[in-house]
Amino acid sequence: EDQVTQSPEALRLQEGESSSLNCSYTVSGLRGLFWYRQDPGKGPEFLFTLYSAGEEKEKERLKATLTKKESFLHITAPKPEDSATYLCAVQGPGTYKYIFGTGTRLKVLA
Amino acid sequence: NAGVMQNPRHLVRRRGQEARLRCSPMKGHSHVYWYRQLPEEGLKFMVYLQKENIIDESGMPKERFSAEFPKEGPSILRIQQVVRGDSAAYFCASSEGAGTEAFFGQGTRLTVV
Repeated sequence: EDQVTQSPEALRLQEGESSSLNCSYTVSGLRGLFWYRQDPGKGPEFLFTLYSAGEEKEKERLKATLTKKESFLHITAPKPEDSATYLCAVQGPGTYKYIFGTGTRLKVLA
Repeated sequence: NAGVMQNPRHLVRRRGQEARLRCSPMKGHSHVYWYRQLPEEGLKFMVYLQKENIIDESGMPKERFSAEFPKEGPSILRIQQVVRGDSAAYFCASSEGAGTEAFFGQGTRLTVV
């Protein structure tokens, strides 16, 4: 069964303290891996799509990377406004549904 | 280009009533997904539809829940005879095609009293 595991569950950082979030997946033949940000009471906001191992995407302080078994979301010099839950999802071949992990709750302290 | 629109944002129903949740996908998107989220839990897949067709309903409870995406109009998630356990946030997402990113609406928060 396709699975997505995110770690850590929660992370507290000081403003400016860089770190990485992990998303491990087990899916036979990845069609795509997706990162989202979700603020309390709101819907997930799309961040990145990664399709193949070695691929990287960057946006402001965020950088997503992909290997054959996991993806990392690197946050460089985070700010308090980066505080949110970050969700990872995968889509496998022969299926159209996005399978989500339970997320990493990030809190950035000023 | 408006995003995915869901309404109502909040819905309160008494046990035994029906709940109808609406979702208008982004312009040009013909793929619609419904997800359910409980507090402190992840997003659970319910159903995937294309215009007039249910493609995958493997995450839908067998009873009381149904979904449609008619040729004209929004996608509807219908919950009959609601129970307290149906209280959750229900999110709709749409995508341009299979394998592309899905964009989410702001959700409908259903409370069953």
